Amino acid sequence: DTGVSQNPRHKITKRGQNVTFRCDPISEHNRLYWYRQTLGQGPEFLTYFQNEAQLEKSRLLSDRFSAERPKGSFSTLEIQRTEQGDSAMYLCASSSRQNNEKLFFGSGTQLSVL
Amino acid sequence: AQSVTQPDIHITVSEGASLELRCNYSYGATPYLFWYVQSPGQGLQLLLKYFSGDTLVQGIKGFEAEFKRSQSSFNLRKPSVHWSDAAEYFCAVGAHGGGNAGKSTFGDGTTLTVKP
Repeated sequence: DTGVSQNPRHKITKRGQNVTFRCDPISEHNRLYWYRQTLGQGPEFLTYFQNEAQLEKSRLLSDRFSAERPKGSFSTLEIQRTEQGDSAMYLCASSSRQNNEKLFFGSGTQLSVL
Repeated sequence: AQSVTQPDIHITVSEGASLELRCNYSYGATPYLFWYVQSPGQGLQLLLKYFSGDTLVQGIKGFEAEFKRSQSSFNLRKPSVHWSDAAEYFCAVGAHGGGNAGKSTFGDGTTLTVKP
């Protein structure tokens, strides 16, 4: 399967702990996006990369959140000092240079903060 | 700021019946418009998109959508629903080109239930 892969699928953590999620985009895609989706709502844009450069961050992305895409391939999203309000599905998507409006989404990482 | 409203939180239709899911958007210029489908435990899959040109767009799985600028709507339709269409459907609006491409604003979704 050469789709967008996200790991882990589920993460349960205690409040105050740090968590890190990984996203492996489709290999030739130069853009990578992170979205967050809470129950009963649509996905909300968090940030995106073009190759290794992080070009934009949403106001939703507090200082406790950091994302990297060190070699323009996979990306990680870290949340420090997690809060219960961080509980959500974190979705990664990628798009190609030729068709960057068409997003391919991974299955997401479901985070539960207890 | 751009926004999307999906007025119907939940819709139930019988298998074989026609379907229309509503979507209204707010955007300052000609938008990019999308419909995605999300099945439980799955990521979002693009059904169709509108960028310009013909206002009736065809998508995968027999879906189509019509862009109506005067009504700021982009409703999704299917003439005959199959049980496998049961899922959550999201309408999204995106900005044109460059760095804005891919940064979509999504509605809150419509859950479709299909009765046998």
